[in-house]
Amino acid sequence: QKEVEQNSGPLSVPEGAIASLNCTYSDRGSQSFFWYRQYSGKSPELIMFIYSNGDKEDGRFTAQLNKASQYVSLLIRDSQPSDSATYLCAVTRYSSASKIIFGSGTRLSIRP
Amino acid sequence: DGGITQSPKYLFRKEGQNVTLSCEQNLNHDAMYWYRQDPGQGLRLIYYSQIVNDFQKGDIAEGYSVSREKKESFPLTVTSAQKNPTAFYLCASRGGGDEQFFGPGTRLTVL
Repeated sequence: QKEVEQNSGPLSVPEGAIASLNCTYSDRGSQSFFWYRQYSGKSPELIMFIYSNGDKEDGRFTAQLNKASQYVSLLIRDSQPSDSATYLCAVTRYSSASKIIFGSGTRLSIRP
Repeated sequence: DGGITQSPKYLFRKEGQNVTLSCEQNLNHDAMYWYRQDPGQGLRLIYYSQIVNDFQKGDIAEGYSVSREKKESFPLTVTSAQKNPTAFYLCASRGGGDEQFFGPGTRLTVL
């Protein structure tokens, strides 16, 4: 079982709709959770982080965390073509908060 | 203008050659990291350093070496012992929180 699992996609969403990206993790003691956006050929860019159960909103982005289910998600409202990218879910290891484990990413495509 | 720089952007290595990738940050971050990304895969940790003159192996350290003589700099050497080095190499740093921030990356190709 992978430590961080994501559906590789591609996930195709019409422009203006809500894109929902999901991630599960295996380390029940994980404390911090991150979403990175990576455009093709570029480095990852941090877009959201969440530490507590519940929702965290930042502009068009909402991160949702459910530690009991070991599940974290990212919602993108009013999807734009510029949101087309690969989204990486990342989780800290309980044994070492300084190390982050990355999922393999979900490729999101926003169709006009 | 604070940030992380990596050089070169593209690097070509011949068989049996060692090459060094540069990573510099002016964010005053204590921790620095090196990751490798292969096509369609997530990032895998090579080495990390939480303080000057100290570093630890990550999950795939074999065939790589690092040094941390200055807070701002964390160079990665890909040695000839690394049999499959073609990949996208990413350097990151971390300040007071758990969040890591990435440089632009170096794409290494073996000829």
